[in-house]
Amino acid sequence: GAVVSQHPSWVICKSGTSVKIECRSLDFQATTMFWYRQFPKQSLMLMATSNEGSKATYEQGVEKDKFLINHASLTLSTLTVTSAHPEDSSFYICSARLERGAQETQYFGPGTRLLVL
Amino acid sequence: GNSVTQMEGPVTLSEEAFLTINCTYTATGYPSLFWYVQYPGEGLQLLLKATKADDKGSNKGFEATYRKETTSFHLEKGSVQVSDSAVYFCALNDNAGNMLTFGGGTRLMVKP
Repeated sequence: GAVVSQHPSWVICKSGTSVKIECRSLDFQATTMFWYRQFPKQSLMLMATSNEGSKATYEQGVEKDKFLINHASLTLSTLTVTSAHPEDSSFYICSARLERGAQETQYFGPGTRLLVL
Repeated sequence: GNSVTQMEGPVTLSEEAFLTINCTYTATGYPSLFWYVQYPGEGLQLLLKATKADDKGSNKGFEATYRKETTSFHLEKGSVQVSDSAVYFCALNDNAGNMLTFGGGTRLMVKP
């Protein structure tokens, strides 16, 4: 099946620093990728929709200046958590949409665990 | 707006027991429905899906039938194994914006 990777798989950083997370579709092109955030023992919450070559669409309540998304190519989207704080500690998961004719399926990356000290 | 409601966990079963995880949804139009599984320490994996009413998705012994009349997509397995221990998420795609709406997740623990 289609493979989506994320890098890094985990990161620990100091408060105030910025962290970049990469999401790559390894064997297919994805014009649309999605970024989710998962809090402990909770479901996934969609943060934003990343569209190749255009600005991301953010969900209500998500600060676009804090969570910068860049979808520079058909196989790469990046999420940068700027000036990270402890409350940003979470599990971030990306997905990439694969389109095959009329069929569309989202494939998920393994996630990135962020811990802000 | 769209929403997905699934039974709260944890669900604890003995090996070879029958599993049902309930999932109901609210959506406009004709959504596609999915079950995703998250094994410990891993990301999400698509388990099965159904794209129209009365479709049955199946994979690895799991099944779910798209019931439009009851707006449900319950996950079932006849005989669970320890290796099925994971968190299961029900989700829908309204085929408009193509984003997924997830249920809260149900943790399944299978004991030997």
